[in-house]
Amino acid sequence: KQEVTQIPAALSVPEGENLVLNCSFTDSAIYNLQWFRQDPGKGLTSLLLIQSSQREQTSGRLNASLDKSSGRSTLYIAASQPGDSATYLCAVSYGGATNKLIFGTGTLLAVQP
Amino acid sequence: NAGVTQTPKFQVLKTGQSMTLQCAQDMNHNSMYWYRQDPGMGLRLIYYSASEGTTDKGEVPNGYNVSRLNKREFSLRLESAAPSQTSVYFCALSRAYEQYFGPGTRLTVT
Repeated sequence: KQEVTQIPAALSVPEGENLVLNCSFTDSAIYNLQWFRQDPGKGLTSLLLIQSSQREQTSGRLNASLDKSSGRSTLYIAASQPGDSATYLCAVSYGGATNKLIFGTGTLLAVQP
Repeated sequence: NAGVTQTPKFQVLKTGQSMTLQCAQDMNHNSMYWYRQDPGMGLRLIYYSASEGTTDKGEVPNGYNVSRLNKREFSLRLESAAPSQTSVYFCALSRAYEQYFGPGTRLTVT
């Protein structure tokens, strides 16, 4: 069964710290991987999309890496800020006509001022 | 959530009632999706539509029907709501394999 796991489920860090969120997937034949942010009571905001042929993507203070062979991705957040507090979700697609996403259950991040 | 709108934002139903969740996009893309989000379960695909007039079942389609009458709109219908359908429902679209989500509808079935 294709599954996505995110560890830890929750993380609390002081402001300014660099941090890493982890995502692992059981079937390494992914087409792409997408990281999202979700604020309480809100929808999902796409942060980064990594195609299977790529090793990493960067956007501002965010850097996502992908290691298909080991079934892992990490989201690195540099110099964290209280405004980064949210739930971060990882999702993988195996392509095809559907391009449906299989989601992890997320990491709840709290950045303390 | 720019580009994908959902109505209503909140809804309370009694068991057995019916309702339709509406989703509309202004991005002129073919693929649209309905997901539900439950605590501890993540988001799960209910139905998707690859293009106008076509729909297919996802992981958890039981108890739902969908309609894609035009490219812009994709609706989700609950014919006879059950407490197990209490959830947050998200509509999404796919552009160049990146998915964009609407703000969600929070549904409670009592």
